[in-house]
Parts: sequence; structure tokens; C-alpha cells
Amino acid sequence: GQSLEQPSEVTAVEGAIVQINCTYQTSGFYGLSWYQQHDGGAPTFLSYNALDGLEETGRFSSFLSRSDSYGYLLLQELQMKDSASYFCAVRDWASNTGKLIFGQGTTLQVKP
Amino acid sequence: DTGVSQNPRHKITKRGQNVTFRCDPISEHNRLYWYRQTLGQGPEFLTYFQNEAQLEKSRLLSDRFSAERPKGSFSTLEIQRTEQGDSAMYLCASRGTGTGGQETQYFGPGTRLLVL
Repeated sequence: GQSLEQPSEVTAVEGAIVQINCTYQTSGFYGLSWYQQHDGGAPTFLSYNALDGLEETGRFSSFLSRSDSYGYLLLQELQMKDSASYFCAVRDWASNTGKLIFGQGTTLQVKP
Repeated sequence: DTGVSQNPRHKITKRGQNVTFRCDPISEHNRLYWYRQTLGQGPEFLTYFQNEAQLEKSRLLSDRFSAERPKGSFSTLEIQRTEQGDSAMYLCASRGTGTGGQETQYFGPGTRLLVL
């Protein structure tokens, strides 16, 4: 089977930096994606890592270590609007449809 | 707004009733997915369409569930004889086939179903 694990909740203050970790167990691996979902909203794509290393997009960065089956999402200069759930996801190796398998999600609460 | 729309946004129904949800993907996207999300969980795959062909269905999709995508445009998901366990958010996502499109799925806002 394929599974992803991430912490259920993280709390941080405005302006701080927070890291959301994700470990995965998969029979095969294309890459790791991150999605953001505000309460009641649609999941929106944030980033994708296929290769080891850090990818930076503005205040958000994502890291992947394929050898450790581990990745993280780094959010800098936290803003109140960053309060949301964050999901890591992988493509299902056993399917050629591109369907995604998601972690349970990490709820980030940003406090003033 | 991702460009994917879903209707209705909310649906309350009584156990045993039938419900139908609609998804309008981004117009140039030929690939469409339905997912189900329960509180505190990530989305779980239900079914996949490439153009009008339904190419994969999850074991989560019992025979009470049916999905269609006539003409490869919008899609509908119907649940017959609803049960309380069907209460969830039903998400639709689409993606194209261009480079970089392998991972990026564009999700709609979902239909939140409550079965009483």
C-alpha cells in the first residue's frame, strides 16, 4: 500500500517560520506535491518536488529527500491568511490515471 | 477561483433519497477526477475520466454511486439510496495534459453532502 504521514496540527505566530513534515511509504514514487485548503474551500496546488532539494516559491518552500522518503513544506513570514490545512500528496504508482493519494492533512493555526 | 465549478455547494437530504452533483472542469482539461473528503481527512479518490471514458473507479465507489461525463465536458456524480455514511465533501478536480500537468490538479469548491 501507499501512505503518507504528517502532523495533525501546528500552531505558530504571525511573522514566524513553520515547517510541516511529510513522510511517505510507496511502492514507487514520482514526486511529492503540497496542497493548501482553507476551511470550506478547494484544495489548491502549492508545489511539487520530483528531485531532491529545495524548491522556493515566494514565502513558501518545499523540500524533498527521496532517500529518506521525506519532505517538508516551509512557510516563512507567516500571515493570518496562512491559517489552513496543508496536505502532502503523491501520484498513485499503481495507476496510470494520475490520481493522487493524500496525507491526512496538517491544520496550521497562525496566531497574532 | 481555480476555474472548476461545482453545484450545488451544499446538499441536505434524507436517508434513502437520491442526489446528483455536477462538476464543470476547466474547459481545455480532458482529465477529470472525483474525490471524497471527510472531516479531518485528506481527499480520497473515487473515479477518473479521460474525456468521456470512465477509466478507473475506486473500491469506495459502491454500486449506489454512478458517474458520467457525457461529451467529455461536465461530469455528474449520482448517489442512490443515500446513507448517513455518505455524508462528506465531494470534490471534483481536473487537469490537462501539457508539461507540468502530471501533478497539478485543479479542484472545485466541492459539494458538501449531509444525509439525515
